[in-house]
Amino acid sequence: QVQLVQSGAEVKKPGASVKVSCKASGYTFSIYYMHWVRQAPGQGLEWMGIINPGGGSTTYAQKFRGRVTMTSDTSTTTVYMELSSLRSEDTAVYYCARDLASRPYYYYYMDVWGKGTTVTVSS
Amino acid sequence: DIVMTQSPDSLAVSLGERAAINCKSSQSVLYSSNNQSYLAWYQQKPGQPLKLLIYWASTRESGVPDRFSGSGSGTDFTLTISSLQAEDVAVYYCQQCYSTPPTFGLGTKLEIK
Repeated sequence: QVQLVQSGAEVKKPGASVKVSCKASGYTFSIYYMHWVRQAPGQGLEWMGIINPGGGSTTYAQKFRGRVTMTSDTSTTTVYMELSSLRSEDTAVYYCARDLASRPYYYYYMDVWGKGTTVTVSS
Repeated sequence: DIVMTQSPDSLAVSLGERAAINCKSSQSVLYSSNNQSYLAWYQQKPGQPLKLLIYWASTRESGVPDRFSGSGSGTDFTLTISSLQAEDVAVYYCQQCYSTPPTFGLGTKLEIK
């Protein structure tokens, strides 16, 4: 079945970086764009960006530009999201989510979600 | 960025009764060239990721029970659950996909009365 399996919880100190992985299975990895969305405790949902897993092209939300890097590895069908210069406000659950449409289209509707990776930033 | 405002913040409905959740966008999310509103609804149960219920404002995702329906166009949208079941207890979010970044409402918590 189609699934996204994310890496485990992380605890980081302010100023550090975190890299979260998301392994896809059950579908053709390269033809569906992948999103990253985060959900901070008691806060809303924030879209961080999107990656084309086949070609590696990315679009990041302006809020995260300069701090976020999304990459993909087609040999392992895994996408990665790295966030640098962490601060306490980055404490959140980070989700990868597949776009509903297949290439060349993407609509920002997200039909398959990973279970989330909790990132805690604390000194 | 487009701001999505949901109402009410929480809602308690009796089993078998109808539940309606509203969502308003700060600008129209209707794309005139295809006459589609770029609006989705998601369900989130505690400790779980979001589940896509509705997209294009009214298209039900595969496998979603037909008691869930979406309506509206432009800036005003509604998610309706025609006959509330116990398993529908969750937080519901709307999302606009008209412009980047896609943005979400703050959610509506649905409970059993």
